[in-house]
This record gives sequence, structure tokens and C-alpha cells, in this order.
Amino acid sequence: NAGVMQNPRHLVRRRGQEARLRCSPVKGHSHVYWYRQLPEEGLKFMVYLQKENIIDESGMPKERFSAEFPKEGPSILRIQQVVRGDSAAYFCASSPRPSGGEYNEQFFGPGTRLTVL
Amino acid sequence: RKEVEQDPGPFNVPEGATVAFNCTYSNSASQSFFWYRQDCRKEPKLLMSVYSSGNEDGRFTAQLNRASQYISLLIRDSKLSDSATYLCVVNISPNFGNEKLTFGTGTRLTIIP
Repeated sequence: NAGVMQNPRHLVRRRGQEARLRCSPVKGHSHVYWYRQLPEEGLKFMVYLQKENIIDESGMPKERFSAEFPKEGPSILRIQQVVRGDSAAYFCASSPRPSGGEYNEQFFGPGTRLTVL
Repeated sequence: RKEVEQDPGPFNVPEGATVAFNCTYSNSASQSFFWYRQDCRKEPKLLMSVYSSGNEDGRFTAQLNRASQYISLLIRDSKLSDSATYLCVVNISPNFGNEKLTFGTGTRLTIIP
């Protein structure tokens, strides 16, 4: 009974390179959330996706960042032309389909720690 | 003003003591409230939801005051394993089904043997 899986766990990139972070939700979960945690700060919401749809991307930087959750395969968070300020821990969470307006717990993956040199 | 504010600590308390954390939130339309726990360099894990009537889970008691926009967590008979960062979390999304969570920066707790 695997939980949320993220890979890679650690990623080192030089300024200007691209970073691709992958997230496989809990089996059967159709909702994926990405959060970013900068050093010594709290988690910040980035984007909420369902299969093949971006539902809420209000927390995504306007440039260089994109996310997808295809019909098949993991969710991908892509950061183009990385800068030092992108260094952070990126957490993915998943939840099952909401039912009747009840809150569904979000299960978090172990995170990907991105370091930009 | 931050959407969710917590005392960052650190709180250093002896084993067996009772410790209380407080949190305030700014958006009165907030719908759901939680305490998460995050161990060093690990992912956050749900500790407990917080209900208006107050709720208890073993040694942990959570309270919500909607009028004051205030949330609390009480840990009784603290154990060494309680050492962690405690995150106050609020769902301020206007639509059910979009469970976008807003996290406080966390309160660091260390239990001293």
C-alpha cells in the first residue's frame, strides 16, 4: 500500500538548467497538490491538479514554472531556467475525490529537495 | 499580516510537561482547520483536525475559536517522540473540493529528557 512517491528525492541543478520533479499519488487518488517550502519558512501552495486539468494555479510563479497531471503517469512539476531562489523542498500531496463537501486528508510525499548552484 | 501566524518557538520543555501552542488566522471565511506535524527534513503529517466543539485524541487536545480566529493545540504528558515542528494549517478555499491548504511557519518543540 504505497503512499505518495516523489522522485528524485534530491536534485542538483546549475543556474539556467531545467528541473523536473515527479509525483505519483496514492493509488486511486485523483487530486494532486504541489507545495514549496523555502528554508526556514512554511509550506506554500503552488498548484492543484486533477487528471488532465489544472484546477487552481494561484500559487505558481507566473514564469518558468509549469505543472501537469496526465491521464497516465505521474504529475510533473517543471521549472525552467532555474535560479538560486528556486532552491527549496517541493512537496506533493494527494487526496481522493471529494464527496459531499467533506474534507479529504491530503497525504504528503517525502519531497524533492532542489539545490540550485 | 500573515494568513496564518504561529509563535515560531523554540519551545524546550521537560518530558512529562504540558505544552500549548497557539495560532491565529486572518481570513474569517476559513472553513477547515488542522494541526500537522513535521519532523526534521520530512514531509508534514496530519496530527488532527480541529472542530468548533473542540476535540481530543489521546494526549492531544485541539480547540477552535471562530469569533477570535484562534486555534490551539495542547499536548499533555509530553514524550520525547513529540519533538517536532507543529504546523497550524487552514483551508481558506471558497469551494469545497479545492482543499488548498495554508500553512503557518510552524512552532518547534523539543522535549528534554
